[in-house]
Amino acid sequence: DSGVTQTPKHLITATGQRVTLRCSPRSGDLSVYWYQQSLDQGLQFLIQYYNGEERAKGNILERFSAQQFPDLHSELNLSSLELGDSALYFCASSVVSVGEQFFGPGTRLTVL
Amino acid sequence: QQQVKQSPQSLIVQKGGISIINCAYENTAFDYFPWYQQFPGKGPALLIAIRPDVSEKKEGRFTISFNKSAKQFSLHIMDSQPGDSATYFCAASMLGTGNQFYFGTGTSLTVIP
Repeated sequence: DSGVTQTPKHLITATGQRVTLRCSPRSGDLSVYWYQQSLDQGLQFLIQYYNGEERAKGNILERFSAQQFPDLHSELNLSSLELGDSALYFCASSVVSVGEQFFGPGTRLTVL
Repeated sequence: QQQVKQSPQSLIVQKGGISIINCAYENTAFDYFPWYQQFPGKGPALLIAIRPDVSEKKEGRFTISFNKSAKQFSLHIMDSQPGDSATYFCAASMLGTGNQFYFGTGTSLTVIP
């Protein structure tokens, strides 16, 4: 158990809908990262927050957005969902903005 | 463009054998190279990591070999066990610029009893 929690574990929704994925980092970790894992794309970095501020952006679609709240938990919002958005979404955290990242168990999103 | 190339895609090894997974990168600015292990239904977990100032790092049965001039690094699993059967990902990052991890495409390892 990494200490990173993610909810929900599974999410099934329809195309065009909007969902919110939640992540609570390990106690004391200031940095949160979001990754998408799909069969054809592997693990792709989406976005990083450090102590509430956006630190780095990767291959994140404009339909996706994220934020980190004062209590350091983070939410990833996915809107206008498409079939191709079906994937595992992982959150990871680290103490500072460098070094080892600890991954949560992931949220499996299925878009029908 | 895949920043980190990983091979093989899948690997079958007998119990007690050595498993070797290779990764290559192009960006010489990368300065942190972790290996992650992922079991089905779980998130990736850090196995071992190396910085480019050393050529080898060993932790138990797991060893990273790093060749800076060739821009390659590899994971060696000695005395492979059925419990090692998992997917292994190499990654690279630039610690000074946000710690974004670039992952390889993964290697599915099966250790046969």
